[in-house]
Amino acid sequence: ETGVTQSPTHLIKTRGQQVTLRCSSQSGHNTVSWYQQALGQGPQFIFQYYREEENGRGNFPPRFSGLQFPNYSSELNVNALELDDSALYLCASSGGLAGGISSYEQYFGPGTRLTVT
Amino acid sequence: AQKVTQAQTEISVVEKEDVTLDCVYETRDTTYYLFWYKQPPSGELVFLIRRNSFDEQNEISGRYSWNFQKSTSSFNFTITASQVVDSAVYFCALSLYGQNFVFGPGTRLSVLP
Repeated sequence: ETGVTQSPTHLIKTRGQQVTLRCSSQSGHNTVSWYQQALGQGPQFIFQYYREEENGRGNFPPRFSGLQFPNYSSELNVNALELDDSALYLCASSGGLAGGISSYEQYFGPGTRLTVT
Repeated sequence: AQKVTQAQTEISVVEKEDVTLDCVYETRDTTYYLFWYKQPPSGELVFLIRRNSFDEQNEISGRYSWNFQKSTSSFNFTITASQVVDSAVYFCALSLYGQNFVFGPGTRLSVLP
């Protein structure tokens, strides 16, 4: 069973630029969630995708957008980067909303550390 | 709205001591799910346990045990005979039907040899 993978591992961008982060879900999982974790804080929910549709969104501006593909992999796009966007971005996959209670368990990837200068 | 509080920011113990990490949650929903995750220095969040709101049975897994009490909205985590490898940041989280996980701020546990 393949776990959740994310790319790239690290990224440095300049304020105002755009960035795309990628995530491959664990095999058998059809739901992907993205989180932002600032240094010393808990992860903050950005949004969730289920079967290629956005299925819930946290308190993040529209410049944070995402996609989910037919193979359930996902992208997080951030436009007009700001210094406060510097954080660890975590992707988590789960077994889908129609798959029973155990499908609610989210399994996380190693994260992408984004630095905005 | 849901909220998770972990009042202990940092805890230090000596190896083989028992340690309890506190978690208090807030939600108006009657059906919800609680989780504990471990984040070692490598950064990847590791799933430890899920508990459903309608199942208050405590659980033990090796040196780990969890105490869920709906009456006090608490879901505490105890590590018995702690080891250096237990050093990490531990997060408690709350979710409704697998959506919109709300994480607490985390407790940094340092186990000293």
